[in-house]
Amino acid sequence: DVKVTQSSRYLVKRTGEKVFLECVQDMDHENMFWYRQDPGLGLRLIYFSYDVKMKEKGDIPEGYSVSREKKERFSLILESASTNQTSMYLCASSPPGTGGWRAKNIQYFGAGTRLSVL
Amino acid sequence: QKEVEQNSGPLSVPEGAIASLNCTYSDRGSQSFFWYRQYSGKSPELIMSIYSNGDKEDGRFTAQLNKASQYVSLLIRDSQPSDSATYLCAVNFYTGNQFYFGTGTSLTVIP
Repeated sequence: DVKVTQSSRYLVKRTGEKVFLECVQDMDHENMFWYRQDPGLGLRLIYFSYDVKMKEKGDIPEGYSVSREKKERFSLILESASTNQTSMYLCASSPPGTGGWRAKNIQYFGAGTRLSVL
Repeated sequence: QKEVEQNSGPLSVPEGAIASLNCTYSDRGSQSFFWYRQYSGKSPELIMSIYSNGDKEDGRFTAQLNKASQYVSLLIRDSQPSDSATYLCAVNFYTGNQFYFGTGTSLTVIP
């Protein structure tokens, strides 16, 4: 079974703190993703990575950065946490697709980290 | 902007009925379509994937895809209270590995 592990289920931080959210997958997947999920807004992509040291901005990258130094680990960094970053953060991983287009690459999610910024 | 739209609900059905969940998407180049179930406070789990026009059945679940109409649906037969959850539609577009999610439909199955 694919396992995606997020380091914390619940996290409480103060405004202005630097926050690290860690995600590790054990299936040698090339692709890894960070989403945040808010009521009424669904899942919104923050960043994704398709290879070590490679990253692409998603829909809402402002206020976030990421790091992928090893294939199995993808970190989300809040440089200076703000109250509007209070949310559920979900990490996901997927293999690349086959053939000339990247499809059939199912995403597997971690359990999520509920972050509260006070 | 690529869009995936779902009715937010809530959708309520009696136990044993068929629940029908719908999703439309904006990009004709879309290749892969997924339905995830998410229980309150939990992360999404994949229940169905579909890549070709037509129906795909897996137990009580049937996914239906119509690329011409840019429409994908999920039918849940013999609905059970344990099916009560939010159902997320996800679409993978041709252009890359990025997935786009709808906002989800909340389903309640009433015993």
